[in-house]
Amino acid sequence: DGGITQSPKYLFRKEGQNVTLSCEQNLNHDAMYWYRQDPGQGLRLIYYSQIVNDFQKGDIAEGYSVSREKKESFPLTVTSAQKNPTAFYLCASRVQGNSPLHFGNGTRLTVT
Amino acid sequence: AQKITQTQPGMFVQEKEAVTLDCTYDTSDQSYGLFWYKQPSSGEMIFLIYQGSYDEQNATEGRYSLNFQKARKSANLVISASQLGDSAMYFCAMRDNAQNTGNQFYFGTGTSLTVIP
Repeated sequence: DGGITQSPKYLFRKEGQNVTLSCEQNLNHDAMYWYRQDPGQGLRLIYYSQIVNDFQKGDIAEGYSVSREKKESFPLTVTSAQKNPTAFYLCASRVQGNSPLHFGNGTRLTVT
Repeated sequence: AQKITQTQPGMFVQEKEAVTLDCTYDTSDQSYGLFWYKQPSSGEMIFLIYQGSYDEQNATEGRYSLNFQKARKSANLVISASQLGDSAMYFCAMRDNAQNTGNQFYFGTGTSLTVIP
């Protein structure tokens, strides 16, 4: 079945450590996105990529980095520079045009 | 500036009744898309329904319909015959077509719907 896989579902890290969240899709979608969700808030865009080897910052990119070396993969690194990294992270992909975002199941990151 | 506004943090509806979740949006584009997503407590985001800015008819998908009022810039979601499984967070989203933003999606803060047996 086609879909988006995020791993792991839960992730715990110590403050000061970088951590990488995985996102893989087999939908053959060109565009991929990373969103952050905090309690009581909507989704905020961290980074997005419309094609391989190209990506753009979203509204809250500071303290995060991404790569897009393959169409299927769009990993997100939460660096130690991110001041408040504990959150729920959602990866999404879509084809172009009027198509909706398709989401993975999310990774809940806790940094202590 | 807030592009999507959902003014109802929480809503309650009796099972089998209909409920309307409000959404207003702000854009100067003529071409845009409006989406509704459902997020159960498990966390995944489930796409429910889409309305294009040039669509003259309101979108419908099963028990979901979108009440699109372009002049008012509103895109309310109507759920008919509510079921217990409809209890979840609901998010309204808009995609703009500005080339310099890569078709970004903007999300509201969501409405928590509880269906009462």
